[in-house]
Amino acid sequence: QKEVEQNSGPLSVPEGAIASLNCTYSDRGSQSFFWYRQYSGKSPELIMSIYSNGDKEDGRFTAQLNKASQYVSLLIRDSQPSDSATYLCAVARSLYGNNRLAFGKGNQVVVIP
Amino acid sequence: GAVVSQHPSWVICKSGTSVKIECRSLDFQATTMFWYRQFPKQSLMLMATSNEGSKATYEQGVEKDKFLINHASLTLSTLTVTSAHPEDSSFYICSALSETQYFGPGTRLLVL
Repeated sequence: QKEVEQNSGPLSVPEGAIASLNCTYSDRGSQSFFWYRQYSGKSPELIMSIYSNGDKEDGRFTAQLNKASQYVSLLIRDSQPSDSATYLCAVARSLYGNNRLAFGKGNQVVVIP
Repeated sequence: GAVVSQHPSWVICKSGTSVKIECRSLDFQATTMFWYRQFPKQSLMLMATSNEGSKATYEQGVEKDKFLINHASLTLSTLTVTSAHPEDSSFYICSALSETQYFGPGTRLLVL
Protein backbone atom coordinates (compact mmCIF):
# COMPACT_ATOMS: atom_id res chain seq x y z
CA GLN A 1 0.00 0.00 0.00
CA LYS A 2 1.39 3.37 -0.99
CA GLU A 3 1.90 5.91 1.75
CA VAL A 4 0.00 8.61 -0.11
CA GLU A 5 -2.42 7.92 -2.94
CA GLN A 6 -3.85 10.27 -5.47
CA ASN A 7 -5.72 8.11 -7.91
CA SER A 8 -7.64 10.52 -10.09
CA GLY A 9 -6.49 11.05 -13.63
CA PRO A 10 -6.07 14.48 -15.24
CA LEU A 11 -8.88 16.83 -14.26
CA SER A 12 -10.26 19.30 -16.78
CA VAL A 13 -12.47 22.07 -15.45
CA PRO A 14 -13.96 25.12 -17.13
CA GLU A 15 -12.73 28.50 -16.00
CA GLY A 16 -14.73 29.66 -12.99
CA ALA A 17 -15.72 26.15 -11.90
CA ILE A 18 -14.66 24.24 -8.80
CA ALA A 19 -11.81 21.73 -9.01
CA SER A 20 -11.87 18.96 -6.41
CA LEU A 21 -8.82 16.85 -5.60
CA ASN A 22 -8.61 13.90 -3.23
CA CYS A 23 -5.82 12.15 -1.37
CA THR A 24 -5.68 9.20 1.03
CA TYR A 25 -2.82 8.18 3.27
CA SER A 26 -1.90 4.97 5.04
CA ASP A 27 -0.06 6.08 8.20
CA ARG A 28 -2.55 6.76 11.00
CA GLY A 29 0.22 8.52 12.94
CA SER A 30 0.41 11.31 10.36
CA GLN A 31 -0.02 14.75 11.85
CA SER A 32 0.52 17.26 9.08
CA PHE A 33 -0.86 17.46 5.59
CA PHE A 34 0.10 19.66 2.69
CA TRP A 35 -0.98 20.53 -0.80
CA TYR A 36 1.71 21.69 -3.20
CA ARG A 37 1.28 23.08 -6.69
CA GLN A 38 3.92 22.21 -9.27
CA TYR A 39 4.11 23.83 -12.66
CA SER A 40 5.80 21.88 -15.41
CA GLY A 41 9.57 21.97 -15.02
CA LYS A 42 9.41 23.80 -11.69
CA SER A 43 9.74 22.75 -8.08
CA PRO A 44 6.68 22.46 -5.82
CA GLU A 45 5.26 25.48 -4.04
CA LEU A 46 3.21 25.18 -0.88
CA ILE A 47 -0.37 26.35 -1.23
CA MET A 48 -2.10 24.84 1.82
CA SER A 49 -1.24 23.11 5.07
CA ILE A 50 -3.71 21.55 7.49
CA TYR A 51 -3.14 19.87 10.83
CA SER A 52 -6.55 19.27 12.41
CA ASN A 53 -9.83 17.76 11.26
CA GLY A 54 -12.21 19.99 9.37
CA ASP A 55 -11.90 22.67 6.75
CA LYS A 56 -9.27 25.33 6.27
CA GLU A 57 -9.83 28.10 3.79
CA ASP A 58 -7.26 30.38 2.20
CA GLY A 59 -8.54 32.57 -0.58
CA ARG A 60 -9.89 30.36 -3.36
CA PHE A 61 -8.45 27.22 -1.79
CA THR A 62 -10.07 25.02 0.84
CA ALA A 63 -8.39 22.00 2.38
CA GLN A 64 -10.45 19.37 4.16
CA LEU A 65 -9.01 16.79 6.55
CA ASN A 66 -10.67 13.69 7.99
CA LYS A 67 -8.17 11.74 10.05
CA ALA A 68 -10.65 8.97 10.87
CA SER A 69 -11.03 8.24 7.17
CA GLN A 70 -7.37 9.08 6.44
CA TYR A 71 -8.50 11.44 3.75
CA VAL A 72 -7.51 14.96 2.75
CA SER A 73 -8.92 16.98 -0.10
CA LEU A 74 -8.40 20.28 -1.85
CA LEU A 75 -11.06 22.46 -3.46
CA ILE A 76 -10.15 25.23 -5.85
CA ARG A 77 -13.01 27.68 -6.33
CA ASP A 78 -13.37 30.01 -9.31
CA SER A 79 -10.67 28.10 -11.17
CA GLN A 80 -8.37 30.22 -13.30
CA PRO A 81 -6.13 29.20 -16.21
CA SER A 82 -3.16 29.98 -13.96
CA ASP A 83 -4.32 27.13 -11.69
CA SER A 84 -3.41 24.64 -14.44
CA ALA A 85 -0.66 22.59 -12.81
CA THR A 86 0.00 19.34 -11.01
CA TYR A 87 -1.16 19.26 -7.41
CA LEU A 88 0.80 17.12 -4.99
CA CYS A 89 -0.53 15.87 -1.68
CA ALA A 90 2.12 15.38 1.02
CA VAL A 91 1.91 13.89 4.49
CA ALA A 92 4.29 13.91 7.46
CA ARG A 93 4.35 12.17 10.82
CA SER A 94 5.47 15.29 12.61
CA LEU A 95 3.69 18.57 13.06
CA TYR A 96 4.54 21.17 10.43
CA GLY A 97 6.37 18.63 8.29
CA ASN A 98 9.71 18.91 9.97
CA ASN A 99 10.63 15.39 9.14
CA ARG A 100 10.21 13.34 6.04
CA LEU A 101 7.38 14.22 3.70
CA ALA A 102 5.70 11.46 1.72
CA PHE A 103 4.27 12.67 -1.58
CA GLY A 104 1.48 11.34 -3.73
CA LYS A 105 2.06 11.07 -7.47
CA GLY A 106 0.03 14.20 -8.11
CA ASN A 107 -3.09 15.18 -10.01
CA GLN A 108 -2.89 17.28 -13.13
CA VAL A 109 -5.47 20.03 -13.35
CA VAL A 110 -6.27 21.77 -16.63
CA VAL A 111 -8.46 24.85 -16.48
CA ILE A 112 -10.12 25.50 -19.81
CA PRO A 113 -10.74 29.18 -20.63
CA GLY B 1 11.40 35.22 3.60
CA ALA B 2 12.28 31.52 3.54
CA VAL B 3 14.09 31.52 0.22
CA VAL B 4 16.05 28.47 -0.86
CA SER B 5 18.40 28.48 -3.84
CA GLN B 6 20.03 25.69 -5.77
CA HIS B 7 23.05 25.76 -8.02
CA PRO B 8 23.38 24.88 -10.80
CA SER B 9 19.86 25.01 -12.19
CA TRP B 10 20.79 22.49 -14.84
CA VAL B 11 23.85 20.44 -15.69
CA ILE B 12 24.87 18.12 -18.50
CA CYS B 13 27.75 15.74 -17.89
CA LYS B 14 29.39 12.68 -19.35
CA SER B 15 28.81 9.25 -17.89
CA GLY B 16 31.32 8.45 -15.16
CA THR B 17 31.87 11.99 -13.98
CA SER B 18 30.78 13.45 -10.65
CA VAL B 19 28.39 16.34 -10.23
CA LYS B 20 27.94 18.56 -7.18
CA ILE B 21 24.66 20.36 -6.47
CA GLU B 22 24.42 23.08 -3.85
CA CYS B 23 21.39 23.96 -1.76
CA ARG B 24 21.40 27.20 0.20
CA SER B 25 18.94 28.77 2.60
CA LEU B 26 19.32 32.48 1.85
CA ASP B 27 17.51 34.21 4.69
CA PHE B 28 17.34 31.64 7.46
CA GLN B 29 19.43 28.97 9.08
CA ALA B 30 18.47 25.38 8.45
CA THR B 31 19.83 22.59 10.60
CA THR B 32 17.91 20.15 8.45
CA MET B 33 17.69 19.97 4.69
CA PHE B 34 16.14 17.31 2.50
CA TRP B 35 17.10 16.02 -0.93
CA TYR B 36 14.44 14.73 -3.33
CA ARG B 37 14.55 13.29 -6.81
CA GLN B 38 11.77 13.45 -9.37
CA PHE B 39 11.68 11.45 -12.59
CA PRO B 40 9.42 12.60 -15.46
CA LYS B 41 5.72 12.31 -14.68
CA GLN B 42 6.45 10.86 -11.25
CA SER B 43 6.23 12.30 -7.79
CA LEU B 44 9.00 13.52 -5.55
CA MET B 45 10.91 10.78 -3.80
CA LEU B 46 12.89 11.60 -0.69
CA MET B 47 16.51 10.52 -1.07
CA ALA B 48 18.02 11.63 2.21
CA THR B 49 17.76 13.92 5.19
CA SER B 50 20.77 16.14 5.73
CA ASN B 51 21.58 17.38 9.23
CA GLU B 52 24.17 20.06 9.89
CA GLY B 53 27.28 18.63 11.46
CA SER B 54 26.26 15.00 11.25
CA LYS B 55 25.87 12.21 8.73
CA ALA B 56 22.92 12.23 6.39
CA THR B 57 20.12 9.72 6.80
CA TYR B 58 19.37 7.93 3.55
CA GLU B 59 16.08 6.43 2.48
CA GLN B 60 15.90 2.74 1.74
CA GLY B 61 17.29 1.93 -1.68
CA VAL B 62 19.39 5.09 -2.01
CA GLU B 63 23.12 4.36 -2.25
CA LYS B 64 24.94 6.55 0.24
CA ASP B 65 28.28 6.00 -1.49
CA LYS B 66 26.86 7.19 -4.78
CA PHE B 67 24.94 10.19 -3.49
CA LEU B 68 27.28 11.98 -1.11
CA ILE B 69 25.70 14.60 1.10
CA ASN B 70 27.56 17.22 3.09
CA HIS B 71 25.86 19.74 5.38
CA ALA B 72 28.83 21.70 6.67
CA SER B 73 27.03 24.90 7.62
CA LEU B 74 23.58 26.05 8.68
CA THR B 75 22.90 27.51 5.24
CA LEU B 76 24.50 25.04 2.85
CA SER B 77 24.02 21.40 1.95
CA THR B 78 25.61 19.73 -1.06
CA LEU B 79 24.69 16.60 -2.96
CA THR B 80 27.38 14.98 -5.06
CA VAL B 81 26.35 12.38 -7.60
CA THR B 82 29.46 10.26 -8.02
CA SER B 83 30.23 8.35 -11.20
CA ALA B 84 26.98 9.52 -12.74
CA HIS B 85 25.21 7.31 -15.26
CA PRO B 86 22.33 8.03 -17.64
CA GLU B 87 19.85 6.49 -15.20
CA ASP B 88 20.80 9.22 -12.71
CA SER B 89 19.35 11.82 -15.05
CA SER B 90 16.56 13.43 -13.07
CA PHE B 91 15.27 16.58 -11.42
CA TYR B 92 16.94 16.99 -8.02
CA ILE B 93 15.16 19.24 -5.53
CA CYS B 94 16.26 20.25 -2.07
CA SER B 95 14.22 21.68 0.75
CA ALA B 96 15.29 23.49 3.89
CA LEU B 97 13.45 23.30 7.16
CA SER B 98 12.20 26.42 8.90
CA GLU B 99 8.95 25.62 10.69
CA THR B 100 8.02 23.77 7.53
CA GLN B 101 9.90 22.73 4.42
CA TYR B 102 10.73 25.33 1.78
CA PHE B 103 11.78 23.98 -1.59
CA GLY B 104 14.57 25.13 -3.83
CA PRO B 105 13.99 25.64 -7.56
CA GLY B 106 15.54 22.30 -8.49
CA THR B 107 18.51 21.13 -10.53
CA ARG B 108 17.97 19.25 -13.75
CA LEU B 109 20.73 16.70 -14.37
CA LEU B 110 21.31 15.05 -17.73
CA VAL B 111 23.98 12.38 -17.94
CA LEU B 112 25.05 11.48 -21.47
